[in-house]
Amino acid sequence: EIVMTQSPATLSVSPGERATLSCRASQSVGNKLAWYQQKPGQAPKVLIYDVSTWATGIPARFSGSGSGTEFTLTISSLQSEDFAVYYCQQYNNWPLTFGQGTRLEIK
Amino acid sequence: EVQLVESGGGLVKPGGSLRLSCAASGFTFSSHSMNWVRQTPAKGLEWVSSIDSSSSYIYYADSVRGRFTTSRDNSKSSLYLQLNFLTAEDTAVYYCARELRLGSSYFDCWGQGTLVTVSS
Repeated sequence: EIVMTQSPATLSVSPGERATLSCRASQSVGNKLAWYQQKPGQAPKVLIYDVSTWATGIPARFSGSGSGTEFTLTISSLQSEDFAVYYCQQYNNWPLTFGQGTRLEIK
Repeated sequence: EVQLVESGGGLVKPGGSLRLSCAASGFTFSSHSMNWVRQTPAKGLEWVSSIDSSSSYIYYADSVRGRFTTSRDNSKSSLYLQLNFLTAEDTAVYYCARELRLGSSYFDCWGQGTLVTVSS
């Protein structure tokens, strides 16, 4: 099983600033990496797939990068609606696995 | 509008069974692989099972293999998860989720989730 490790567990950032979230895979997942955003009481919502491709309707302030085992989600200028929990997921190997999440909170 | 609606969750005793359903609408259900994903505060998001569009390929997490069974009825645009021999560790919110593209198992649409609680 590929273990996905996200860091930090909690990130405190002020609105308008940049946020950088990390995700590390225990072995290469190629470019089969997605990012999700989850708000309280809601299901996860896909933001990015294939490392860096925007899902439908996702604003350009979200961007993904990386390859192999190291991946980054960057939110260029935080809006109030961006404060949530973010998960990465690999889909290169079965079983599909998620990271434990990064909580992005208002500083 | 693409929509997934789960149902069938509830309180069940250890060793018991439950059947979850997921009703799909707003898209051609028979063209998409579907998945079950569960979530707990302690373990976060955990993929449970995947079924391809024609039910030819079904995959399970090790934690549920042999106890859970995934099926679908394309004529009814519905996905199912039969949960047997339940334990407290199966307590979770269960989501059904759609794969947008064949061969890319990320999820572009999720239901609202249904809560399964296993407790005596």
